[in-house]
Amino acid sequence: DSGVTQTPKHLITATGQRVTLRCSPRSGDLSVYWYQQSLDQGLQFLIQYYNGEERAKGNILERFSAQQFPDLHSELNLSSLELGDSALYFCASSSLDRVGKTGELFFGEGSRLTVL
Amino acid sequence: GEDVEQSLFLSVREGDSSVINCTYTDSSSTYLYWYKQEPGAGLQLLTYIFSNMDMKQDQRLTVLLNKKDKHLSLRIADTQTGDSAIYFCAESLGGYQKVTFGIGTKLQVIP
Repeated sequence: DSGVTQTPKHLITATGQRVTLRCSPRSGDLSVYWYQQSLDQGLQFLIQYYNGEERAKGNILERFSAQQFPDLHSELNLSSLELGDSALYFCASSSLDRVGKTGELFFGEGSRLTVL
Repeated sequence: GEDVEQSLFLSVREGDSSVINCTYTDSSSTYLYWYKQEPGAGLQLLTYIFSNMDMKQDQRLTVLLNKKDKHLSLRIADTQTGDSAIYFCAESLGGYQKVTFGIGTKLQVIP
């Protein structure tokens, strides 16, 4: 158990809809990272928050947004969903604003989104 | 630019050595990592190597880094069925704020 909790584990929705994925980082970790894992593109970095502020942005679509709340949990909002958004969405946490020399990100078990 | 490439699949017999290869393109990578993803689970850090090192050994794991060719490999000695998983090569750039992952190599260990 990594200590990172993601909900829901599975989500099935229709095209055009909006969903929210939630992540609770490990106790004491201030950074939250969101990744998208799909079969054809592997693990793609979406966005990072540190202590409530956006720190780094990757290949995140404009239809997607995220935030980190004062209690450090984070939410990833996906809107106007398309078939191609079906993927496993991972949240990871670390204690620093940067990954640091060990490179250790602690991953949750992921939220599997299926868009029909 | 940053890009990490790996082969998709490797099959080995139990007890043999496994070698998983990776190439990266960003010469400013500072740390390179190997993560393991077991079925239904998130990724877990296995080991890492700093870019000024050539080799790192950790029990059954040996990491080799060839900076000239931008080639990273992970050798698992005496591979066990419990090693069956997807192995991700990853790199972090100078600011350490982002870790870029390869597509992952699925290792199948045949009893």
